[in-house]
Amino acid sequence: SAVISQKPSRDICQRGTSLTIQCQVDSQVTMMFWYRQQPGQSLTLIATANQGSEATYESGFVIDKFPISRPNLTFSTLTVSNMSPEDSSIYLCSVTGLAGPTDTQYFGPGTRLTVL
Amino acid sequence: LAKTTQPISMDSYEGQEVNITCSHNNIATNDYITWYQQFPSQGPRFIIQGYKTKVTNEVASLFIPADRKSSTLSLPRVSLSDTAVYYCLVGPTGTASKLTFGTGTRLQVTL
Repeated sequence: SAVISQKPSRDICQRGTSLTIQCQVDSQVTMMFWYRQQPGQSLTLIATANQGSEATYESGFVIDKFPISRPNLTFSTLTVSNMSPEDSSIYLCSVTGLAGPTDTQYFGPGTRLTVL
Repeated sequence: LAKTTQPISMDSYEGQEVNITCSHNNIATNDYITWYQQFPSQGPRFIIQGYKTKVTNEVASLFIPADRKSSTLSLPRVSLSDTAVYYCLVGPTGTASKLTFGTGTRLQVTL
């Protein structure tokens, strides 16, 4: 089965700085998504990373705060810009198009971000 | 996207069968039902998916009645390692589908 990895696995950052999170899949995938999971909460979709074009953001999320890139079919990045303590969360990427029942989404291990 | 309702938490003893029910009254014709398991500090892990009747794999069974307005995830003979949050999701499959996560059910298994 395919491997989905994220870097970094965790980080502690100062407010006002930015962090770029990488998601790498060891095979080509159709779709890539970015989610946020705040402490003790469920997952919330941030955006769909579109290959070769601008990401599609969900309500409440904007490109200036969460710029996303997807240069090819195996890689995407999410940047958390101008961070504040409220951005402390686990950030997860997910993919579809891997072998599995009816285009199931598979998730990476997540990146735990703490903003001081 | 159809909204789901599931119990916030459940407790079980090791070796018991656990059934977690999810309500999705406004499920659409092209929606599938998918269950994920999430351990602390890990990404959700796909467990099972179904459209109607019963689906079984090596991990769990999924029971879906004819009206598809609810579904039940059945975990046979749970162990301590099954302690996790279980999410029920409803939505169309396909490469453009987006998943909407509800609150999930926190299952605690004890000896």
